[in-house]
Amino acid sequence: EAQVTQNPRYLITVTGKKLTVTCSQNMNHEYMSWYRQDPGLGLRQIYYSMNVEVTDKGDVPEGYKVSRKEKRNFPLILESLSPNQTSLYFCASSLRRQRFNMNTEAFFGQGTRLTVV
Amino acid sequence: EDQVTQSPEALRLQEGESSSLNCSYTVSGLRGLFWYRQDPGKGPEFLFTLYSAGEEKEKERLKATLTKKESFLHITAPKPEDSATYLCAVRTVYNQGGKLIFGQGTELSVKP
Repeated sequence: EAQVTQNPRYLITVTGKKLTVTCSQNMNHEYMSWYRQDPGLGLRQIYYSMNVEVTDKGDVPEGYKVSRKEKRNFPLILESLSPNQTSLYFCASSLRRQRFNMNTEAFFGQGTRLTVV
Repeated sequence: EDQVTQSPEALRLQEGESSSLNCSYTVSGLRGLFWYRQDPGKGPEFLFTLYSAGEEKEKERLKATLTKKESFLHITAPKPEDSATYLCAVRTVYNQGGKLIFGQGTELSVKP
């Protein structure tokens, strides 16, 4: 089954700790990205990756890091957690059509609900 | 600035009562408009992609249409299981390698 898998699904943790949220896709997609979803603000892109070892900032990258060492994995790293990182996080992947320089539809993971106290 | 606006924010329907959700967009060079369904606490589920004005896509009770300024998601004879938040998103020619710009969503509730 084609899917995007995130872990953990739920987490309550404390300010200052480090967290890595894992994301893995089994569709051989080149393009992967992270979004956060907040009430009233909708879904906003944090970081994206167009292929292995190629990453760039989205709209709200502050406080986050990413890496793309393998095509299937795209972990989100929160180096020092703060309460304003309390949110619902989604990883997504898309097939990239190089010839047309565009991506197809995005497939989303089930989400990681993070609470930082 | 690229912008996507969905209306209404919330919609309550009786089972069988057809209606439409609106997604209006102001973007530089549309590279695709996407409709997603999102159930509470879950990830958005892909429904449709539309690329050019005049295009239409259908799936069961849902039909998506696209003009140069907006898209509609028509729901015919909805059932309670159609209750969800429906998200519209666009990709543009100029954005960061394929970022999706989302609207705020329309929360649909269908009562039996």
